Amino acid sequence: DAGITQSPRHKVTETGTPVTLRCHQTENHRYMYWYRQDPGHGLRLIHYSYGVKDTDKGEVSDGYSVSRSKTEDFLLTLESATSSQTSVYFCAISEETVNTEAFFGQGTRLTVV
Amino acid sequence: AQSVTQLGSHVSVSEGALVLLRCNYSSSVPPYLFWYVQYPNQGLQLLLKYTTGATLVKGINGFEAEFKKSETSFHLTKPSAHMSDAAEYFCAVRSNRDDKIIFGKGTRLHILP
Repeated sequence: DAGITQSPRHKVTETGTPVTLRCHQTENHRYMYWYRQDPGHGLRLIHYSYGVKDTDKGEVSDGYSVSRSKTEDFLLTLESATSSQTSVYFCAISEETVNTEAFFGQGTRLTVV
Repeated sequence: AQSVTQLGSHVSVSEGALVLLRCNYSSSVPPYLFWYVQYPNQGLQLLLKYTTGATLVKGINGFEAEFKKSETSFHLTKPSAHMSDAAEYFCAVRSNRDDKIIFGKGTRLHILP
């Protein structure tokens, strides 16, 4: 398995509170991605990063922010969690060459009550 | 922008029968295409990928897929289904324009005894 660690693996939080999910890699890959997985919607890209301090929006970025201050860490922050953000969140990493696949972490199950 | 359409959110086949999972893509530039599998409560695992060259791609667990540019398709097949193939399957596309990796909504494969 690629060296990707997501933390926490499970979290329950209250509406309106800030939440930060962490993705840590040991592969030194350039690209990092955050997805959310919901029944009937598959995986939807939230934000991605193509280098330290270089990030861009995905398909469903509203209500989320990201930061990447070093190669190995990519943080996803929900500034004020809402029930619609209850989901399973996956981090993925990929090498620089475009014909390479993404490797996924084990996911974080977030419940907003 | 690239996109992926997977026809059929659920597909049921009998054990030993042919598996066919459909994927159509939209991309304004030559695409890189991937199939992933997800077993319950796990992350995503790469089955196979198409980058360039041979249009028939073989993957793990006896799966293969054929890239057909004229049909903008990348359907996944397996000659004989096994009970262990029951899982959710995702088609994904990546372009060299922005390095986003976009997923379809997934197809859950059920294997009937």
